[in-house]
Amino acid sequence: ETGVTQSPTHLIKTRGQQVTLRCSSQSGHNTVSWYQQALGQGPQFIFQYYREEENGRGNFPPRFSGLQFPNYSSELNVNALELDDSALYLCASSFYRGNSYNSPLHFGNGTRLTVT
Amino acid sequence: GENVEQHPSTLSVQEGDSAVIKCTYSDSASNYFPWYKQELGKGPQLIIDIRSNVGEKKDQRIAVTLNKTAKHFSLHITETQPEDSAVYFCAASYNNNDMRFGAGTRLTVKP
Repeated sequence: ETGVTQSPTHLIKTRGQQVTLRCSSQSGHNTVSWYQQALGQGPQFIFQYYREEENGRGNFPPRFSGLQFPNYSSELNVNALELDDSALYLCASSFYRGNSYNSPLHFGNGTRLTVT
Repeated sequence: GENVEQHPSTLSVQEGDSAVIKCTYSDSASNYFPWYKQELGKGPQLIIDIRSNVGEKKDQRIAVTLNKTAKHFSLHITETQPEDSAVYFCAASYNNNDMRFGAGTRLTVKP
């Protein structure tokens, strides 16, 4: 069973730039969620994708966007980077059966983004 | 929306002692309560979870209790070992969507 993998592991960008983070779901999973974890804090929900569509969104501005592909992998895109976007970005996958059941979230090890 | 509060923020115990971490949630619609362990440089790892239709669940040295009326749930670790040292997060959600996490508890187990 292949776990959740994220790339890259570390990234340094300049304020105003754009960034794309990638995630491969655990095998058998069809739903992907993205979280932002600032240093010393708990993960904050950004959004979730199911059937290639956004299926819930946290309190993040539109410059945070995502995609889910037919193979259930996903991308997180952040435009116009700000210094406060510096954080660990976590991807989690799960299996959603469409009848309100959703299996536990399994997280990857994250991408550490530094904005200077 | 859901708000999860977690206490304490740091916890230090002697090896072999028990550790208890407590969380409260605000949204009575929440029905799923997982606990995650996060080690340095890694993503959160699920250690145990409980759904709202049960009041207690146990897995070896780890147990979780849920009080739906009071909207709080707790993690109990017995016979702690140095490898239990990590940051622990509680979370709450309705069916795993929009999972809200607590701020975390840094547990240190002293040999």
